Amino acid sequence: GQQVMQIPQYQHVQEGEDFTTYCNSSTTLSNIQWYKQRPGGHPVFLIQLVKSGEVKKQKRLTFQFGEAKKNSSLHITATQTTDVGTYFCAGGKVSGYALNFGKGTSLLVTP
Amino acid sequence: EAGVAQSPRYKIIEKRQSVAFWCNPISGHATLYWYQQILGQGPKLLIQFQNNGVVDDSQLPKDRFSAERLKGVDSTLKIQPAKLEDSAVYLCASSPGTSGASTDTQYFGPGTRLTVL
Repeated sequence: GQQVMQIPQYQHVQEGEDFTTYCNSSTTLSNIQWYKQRPGGHPVFLIQLVKSGEVKKQKRLTFQFGEAKKNSSLHITATQTTDVGTYFCAGGKVSGYALNFGKGTSLLVTP
Repeated sequence: EAGVAQSPRYKIIEKRQSVAFWCNPISGHATLYWYQQILGQGPKLLIQFQNNGVVDDSQLPKDRFSAERLKGVDSTLKIQPAKLEDSAVYLCASSPGTSGASTDTQYFGPGTRLTVL
């Protein structure tokens, strides 16, 4: 079945450094969503990408959806300690309802 | 606006016992999801309801897990009997979309942390 792979699994950066996490699917996706989960918390929706090659920005966060709609990335510029958490991508099937979540990338930011 | 409510927040049981979780979605949300999140992994969809009908339960271990949403609002998820590998956080989410499509934004509850000894 459809699998969504995320790399890296962990990333430790100094505050002010950039951070990128990548999401890859074995099949073409209809859409991709990104969620953030703080330690001990629950996933919180960040953004959705639907169009091939789409790029969206939220302040220091930049989200991209690949041309083939099989991969996506989240880039954070100049990380802050408030960015700490696990970032999940979730891909939607072309035919179907469910979102398949990746295993997430855990980001640790030290001051 | 109140968020998704779940109870209990924590539960410890012994293997072979039964357990039930409750979820109250955001008011007016037609779609309700139950996810299992094992430590270090992403949420795995167990079942998706559209109002009180099941849209997707392909990953629900039906020999031991059951879920219902009788009046299209609250939902319960039951495990009977529990196994050690069922230790996880069980997340409930809801979305306002009426189609249940994957493009709907999902709003997650705080989860129930289950430990099976």
